[in-house]
Amino acid sequence: DTAVSQTPKYLVTQMGNDKSIKCEQNLGHDTMYWYKQDSKKFLKIMFSYNNKELIINETVPNRFSPKSPDKAHLNLHINSLELGDSAVYFCASSQDALAGVYEQYFGPGTRLTVT
Amino acid sequence: LAKTTQPISMDSYEGQEVNITCSHNNIATNDYITWYQQFPSQGPRFIIQGYKTKVTNEVASLFIPADRKSSTLSLPRVSLSDTAVYYCLVQGGSQGNLIFGKGTKLSVKP
Repeated sequence: DTAVSQTPKYLVTQMGNDKSIKCEQNLGHDTMYWYKQDSKKFLKIMFSYNNKELIINETVPNRFSPKSPDKAHLNLHINSLELGDSAVYFCASSQDALAGVYEQYFGPGTRLTVT
Repeated sequence: LAKTTQPISMDSYEGQEVNITCSHNNIATNDYITWYQQFPSQGPRFIIQGYKTKVTNEVASLFIPADRKSSTLSLPRVSLSDTAVYYCLVQGGSQGNLIFGKGTKLSVKP
């Protein structure tokens, strides 16, 4: 019954590898987001999709590529992982962000550790 | 883009009222102010949202002055379980303005 779910919860990998984090929401929302929270707890928006279309694309290395196969899923693929990518990544969803400002529902987070 | 500033930390005791202020001097006309709560190892959780004046729900109140350059989250009679990090978010919808503050770590003591 989890509203926004992410897999995996923990991800430990080596520099240079490629990895993916999956996100699914069962709330019927139109908009999904990816955030990065670093060790200092700063929470920064990375991407946002509305009905599978990219609407927010902050200054993020192009090694990060979001993919939205349908509006209930927004996956994050990361190529050539670097030490600085170590962080907690949160997925979130909301009602149609193009129609108004709505509360976001966050997933439990994926802790990525790059060694 | 509207930058937000919050106190890094605050201490309180059970039963007290806590007020956390967020500054957002460059807030745009179509921006809303939203507050989230985050416990360790969990995602942020929505508390309250407002555009101007005062908003109240069962958890908190949000005070926004006429110039909207700041906002104050008020938590009445806090308990130990309110110990968390509180984030102020200025959000402008489709314009992509999603700026979280650096968070205020609230510690509630018995």
